Amino acid sequence: DTEVTQTPKHLVMGMTNKKSLKCEQHMGHRAMYWYKQKAKKPPELMFVYSYEKLSINESVPSRFSPECPNSSLLNLHLHALQPEDSALYLCASSQEVGGAGTEAFFGQGTRLTVV
Amino acid sequence: GENVEQHPSTLSVQEGDSAVIKCTYSDSASNYFPWYKQELGKRPQLIIDIRSNVGEKKDQRIAVTLNKTAKHFSLHITETQPEDSAVYFCAARYSGGGADGLTFGKGTHLIIQP
Repeated sequence: DTEVTQTPKHLVMGMTNKKSLKCEQHMGHRAMYWYKQKAKKPPELMFVYSYEKLSINESVPSRFSPECPNSSLLNLHLHALQPEDSALYLCASSQEVGGAGTEAFFGQGTRLTVV
Repeated sequence: GENVEQHPSTLSVQEGDSAVIKCTYSDSASNYFPWYKQELGKRPQLIIDIRSNVGEKKDQRIAVTLNKTAKHFSLHITETQPEDSAVYFCAARYSGGGADGLTFGKGTHLIIQP
């Protein structure tokens, strides 16, 4: 299984809503990532989890809250988002942080629209 | 932090010709350089990667070269085909302070003209 699975594929939410994005991988990878991608732009790193601990938070606003319940799951909790947060949210995983196996596999993404 | 520059932003080539995309990076500690292909509405997919202890790597029609001294790396696609049309991103992995995220270039929209 070389898949990173993200749910939902599409999400529309109001600015007062609370929602969560989910990501799952069963490749035994110990590093998991959240990226944000705006239209016609490259992915931008948001968070890195290494061995289920948050190791990087790229100055992301607190309205985005990541969670790693176990080594296979990664969530992104959303609250009080702004319309400019509308984007494709990509989850990725790689074998380990800083090791030789650094190939990152991306999920298909969640297309988020904030209204 | 790492900064990756990518050129050109758009590249149009005739089917069957070669395409070359170039990237430079700023952090000499970076040691892993992948290339991703992203079709419209789809996820980025790794097409080839190179590590800092290697100067060149080839996989069928795709090759990547790395010049550590100059801090630049390039993607070469030969015998281009219509299905090669996509946005291509280069990236670099920075390893300072235990970090492992990828920094991406701004992307190259490759158009293969039939």
